[in-house]
Amino acid sequence: DAKTTQPNSMESNEEEPVHLPCNHSTISGTDYIHWYRQLPSQGPEYVIHGLTSNVNNRMASLAIAEDRKSSTLILHRATLRDAAVYYCILRDVGSGGSNYKLTFGKGTLLTVNP
Amino acid sequence: DSGVTQTPKHLITATGQRVTLRCSPRSGDLSVYWYQQSLDQGLQFLIQYYNGEERAKGNILERFSAQQFPDLHSELNLSSLELGDSALYFCASSVAPGQSNEKLFFGSGTQLSVL
Repeated sequence: DAKTTQPNSMESNEEEPVHLPCNHSTISGTDYIHWYRQLPSQGPEYVIHGLTSNVNNRMASLAIAEDRKSSTLILHRATLRDAAVYYCILRDVGSGGSNYKLTFGKGTLLTVNP
Repeated sequence: DSGVTQTPKHLITATGQRVTLRCSPRSGDLSVYWYQQSLDQGLQFLIQYYNGEERAKGNILERFSAQQFPDLHSELNLSSLELGDSALYFCASSVAPGQSNEKLFFGSGTQLSVL
């Protein structure tokens, strides 16, 4: 999987929007951009994914740059429950469809202040 | 609740021992993934099975093995345990065998402590 770069940590205040950036300058045309998050003492949880267009779901929005070399996960109103490590992952099945795994980096630790 | 069940939640054992971790995927999911998470290494992919067959292998030690049974549950066997094997072990499942846009659903993990 192609590499992504995320800030180690970010801080936000409760009920304010949060923009979590991710750089992926070596992204290929068939890479999907996935976001997962891991709350304390829990397994990772799917948040959102996209290919080219911006995406919205009940948890978050994903804004993808026109050149696809960066993306931003947007939490519209952060809550204390959103405090977690957020992982930005590129995924492509690769040649012959043999690359099945999700490769997690170190992610961004989001702290939400009350 | 992701629908993925892992047992046991906690396991304490001694060096040199062998343990088995169990994972039941979400209903309808055919693919199972195993990950190891330690403080210094982060989340590391170990192995993936699809409908009973091994599909991908990551940084899995030779002392570790896994299988997926006909009822689709999976077991991860860890033998000759060392202190460094202490970690959280996660299982994840998905419907499709590794398509770019598929979602993985993770269990809550098994915390293994080797003393």
